[in-house]
Amino acid sequence: EAGVAQSPRYKIIEKRQSVAFWCNPISGHATLYWYQQILGQGPKLLIQFQNNGVVDDSQLPKDRFSAERLKGVDSTLKIQPAKLEDSAVYLCASSLDAQETQYFGPGTRLLVL
Amino acid sequence: AQSVTQPDIHITVSEGASLELRCNYSYGATPYLFWYVQSPGQGLQLLLKYFSGDTLVQGIKGFEAEFKRSQSSFNLRKPSVHWSDAAEYFCAVGTGFQKLVFGTGTRLLVSP
Repeated sequence: EAGVAQSPRYKIIEKRQSVAFWCNPISGHATLYWYQQILGQGPKLLIQFQNNGVVDDSQLPKDRFSAERLKGVDSTLKIQPAKLEDSAVYLCASSLDAQETQYFGPGTRLLVL
Repeated sequence: AQSVTQPDIHITVSEGASLELRCNYSYGATPYLFWYVQSPGQGLQLLLKYFSGDTLVQGIKGFEAEFKRSQSSFNLRKPSVHWSDAAEYFCAVGTGFQKLVFGTGTRLLVSP
């Protein structure tokens, strides 16, 4: 069974630029999560989707971050404009349903200069 | 709000020695508790989980963890560490399987 796929794996941008990350969850998984993991910290949930609807985006900085999950499968997370403090690993996870185990992708490492 | 404390940032263990990683949580109700492992450049992999029943849970790769409600702890153990266990370990508490709150992680180093 293929795991959660993410791209790109690495991205370097300058502050005030925009960037987008892509996630393809495990086939059939209805729930999708985006996490931000800053160096030295544990992952922090940014947004949770159930199919193509948002369940929880309470910790998403909505002035600069946006996410969508069209057709309830793939998802993109966008940052516009990026700040230095956005440097982190962005992890995508999926689960069969909201009450099932989360499976994580390898993450996208973002460096904002 | 729930929170997780992993008091050890780094731990070094000799190969073949036993391991215990500490995790303390704060949560008002019965928690769902998890241990994940993250190898360099990899995503998080679930080692084990607890949400009810037997307080000693077995996981993959020979790991186990014990839920102690009186101490608000969920420590991870392994009787004999292998060099391939070197990684970062995260404890997490959740409202069910979602809304996970992670600790800051413990980096395990394995010496020959």
